[in-house]
Amino acid sequence: SQQGEEDPQALSIQEGENATMNCSYKTSINNLQWYRQNSGRGLVHLILIRSNEREKHSGRLRVTLDTSKKSSSLLITASRAADTASYFCATPNAGNNRKLIWGLGTSLAVNP
Amino acid sequence: DTGVSQDPRHKITKRGQNVTFRCDPISEHNRLYWYRQTLGQGPEFLTYFQNEAQLEKSRLLSDRFSAERPKGSFSTLEIQRTEQGDSAMYLCASSLDGGPRTDTQYFGPGTRLTVL
Repeated sequence: SQQGEEDPQALSIQEGENATMNCSYKTSINNLQWYRQNSGRGLVHLILIRSNEREKHSGRLRVTLDTSKKSSSLLITASRAADTASYFCATPNAGNNRKLIWGLGTSLAVNP
Repeated sequence: DTGVSQDPRHKITKRGQNVTFRCDPISEHNRLYWYRQTLGQGPEFLTYFQNEAQLEKSRLLSDRFSAERPKGSFSTLEIQRTEQGDSAMYLCASSLDGGPRTDTQYFGPGTRLTVL
């Protein structure tokens, strides 16, 4: 079952612009993670933000978390053509298995 | 760190045939997960292992699916009597339970299965 939804489902921007993707989730969480997936490939972990954190940075990535609204956003600044990929948010299941529950993803196209 | 590897990367089979996929996790990771992903969707959990023990199976995993992780190292996922609905990307991930990055899962490149 999907945890929530990413918004927008698809995003097309020009190189150098910023890209913002949003994720909503349904249950209480311990942390929220963002992953990138290039076409037909595996998933690459980008960043993890814990429930007691509100903002986190990693290079050109900025993630925010609003637990009151059960939402998170991923901002990619100064986008590059190589950022073209699908971006997913995921949260670990509260049980012992810690399986990840995924959103539907945002497909980002960065045009050179 | 060689990362998570999966073999084969692509598999085309005829309906009714059996297929087996292999996943080699990061060597010190004690947890191993299998997910399935169809086009335009996020991954869906199939099953997971803590060391060699298979601790949970999703209801998505019908009786035709079986997974093993002998000796708590590599894992295999077998699908018997494949159906066209089994066509998907099968993803393997591993993690180290109890470490500072305990919830971070590291994914392999996936095995894309096409059932004709």
